[in-house]
Amino acid sequence: QKEVEQNSGPLSVPEGAIASLNCTYSDRGSQSFFWYRQYSGKSPELIMFIYSNGDKEDGRFTAQLNKASQYVSLLIRDSQPSDSATYLCAVKGETGFQKLVFGTGTRLLVSP
Amino acid sequence: AAGVIQSPRHLIKEKRETATLKCYPIPRHDTVYWYQQGPGQDPQFLISFYEKMQSDKGSIPDRFSAQQFSDYHSELNMSSLELGDSALYFCASSATGVPSSYNEQFFGPGTRLTVL
Repeated sequence: QKEVEQNSGPLSVPEGAIASLNCTYSDRGSQSFFWYRQYSGKSPELIMFIYSNGDKEDGRFTAQLNKASQYVSLLIRDSQPSDSATYLCAVKGETGFQKLVFGTGTRLLVSP
Repeated sequence: AAGVIQSPRHLIKEKRETATLKCYPIPRHDTVYWYQQGPGQDPQFLISFYEKMQSDKGSIPDRFSAQQFSDYHSELNMSSLELGDSALYFCASSATGVPSSYNEQFFGPGTRLTVL
C-alpha cells in the first residue's frame, strides 16, 4: 500500500464549480501536509501547506486536515480552466530535513 | 522572487555514459532535495543535503552520487546511465531556520534526462 493515496481521476468539474481533491496517508507521525499543482512536463508548484487540524484558506483554495482520520483535502472554489492540472498531495515527517512523500496525484479537468 | 535554478534543462545521453545535473537553491535556503519523476509517476525522493552534509537518503541508485557545495548549490552525478534513468529530475530547496516541520520545499524547473 502506498504511503500517500489519491484518486488518480480525472476529476471533471464545470467552470465556476467547487473541485474537491482528497488524500489519505498511512504514517500517523506525519506532521506537515502540502498540496502541489503540476502541469504536464512542468515542475510541482506549491499551492498550500497545512499542519494543524481544521481548515486553512488562501484565496480560492481551502486545505482541510483531519489527523485522526489521516485525511487531507483541497477545495478549489470557482474553478477555472487554468486550474486543469495534476494536484499532488505530499506529506512530510517530524524533522526539518524530511523528504516529501507524494501521492500519485489527481488529474483535474475544468471545462469551460 | 528568485527561484530554484537547474541546469541543464534538457540532456540527452547514451547508455553507460555519465551525466551531471546542477541545482542552485533559492537565496538563503540551506537545504536541497533531489527528486526523480518518471513518466506518469509521482516524484520520488533521491537524496537531500543540509549545510553541505547529507541529511536524508531515499531510493537513489548506487550509480548516482550527489553533494552540496559551500555556496549551497548541489550537483547530482549519474554514472553508467541506463534507459530506465530517463526521467525528469527536480531539485527543491527549503530554509531550515524557521520552525522545522513546516519548511516548504520549492521546486526548480527540472532537468529532462533522456538516455538512448
